Amino acid sequence: ETGVTQSPTHLIKTRGQQVTLRCSSQSGHNTVSWYQQALGQGPQFIFQYYREEENGRGNFPPRFSGLQFPNYSSELNVNALELDDSALYLCASSLGDLGTDTQYFGPGTRLTVL
Amino acid sequence: EDQVTQSPEALRLQEGESSSLNCSYTVSGLRGLFWYRQDPGKGPEFLFTLYSAGEEKEKERLKATLTKKESFLHITAPKPEDSATYLCAVQSLDLSNTGNQFYFGTGTSLTVIP
Repeated sequence: ETGVTQSPTHLIKTRGQQVTLRCSSQSGHNTVSWYQQALGQGPQFIFQYYREEENGRGNFPPRFSGLQFPNYSSELNVNALELDDSALYLCASSLGDLGTDTQYFGPGTRLTVL
Repeated sequence: EDQVTQSPEALRLQEGESSSLNCSYTVSGLRGLFWYRQDPGKGPEFLFTLYSAGEEKEKERLKATLTKKESFLHITAPKPEDSATYLCAVQSLDLSNTGNQFYFGTGTSLTVIP
């Protein structure tokens, strides 16, 4: 067990709706990253936060946004859901900032968009 | 363009039959290379971090090596419980624009037959 938890486990939404996914990092981990993993693919990097500031972003549109809180929790918000947003969403926490840092993943949230 | 390519896509081994998985990468400013194991429906489980060419790390039946262009995950005398998808990821840093970046390969699905 990594100590990283995510909620909910599964979620079903319809196209055009908004969704918020939640992650609780390991205590003491100041960095959290979010990934989207489609079936049969590797995780795709969405963004990373360090001490509540975004410090890295992948090739995802602005309707994907995030927040990190001082209590080691974070959120991924997705607006105007599209069918292609159906995927496993993973969060990963790590200790440091811009340094090379091992990430520990949570179990993921399975999002289905109908 | 930064990218990570893993081969083979799938590998079937008899128990005890050693083999290697390959991860080729092209990235500007490599900060680190990571190996993960992922079981179906679960988040990736951390295995190794490698930082520079020539580095090697071992854990039980697994050994990871790194060159300037690729990494290998060697599996010695595998057991059925080693069956999983093995993911390779690299971290780079884009100081001019998008900050920390992480790129995953699509993984190698390993099946070890008793």
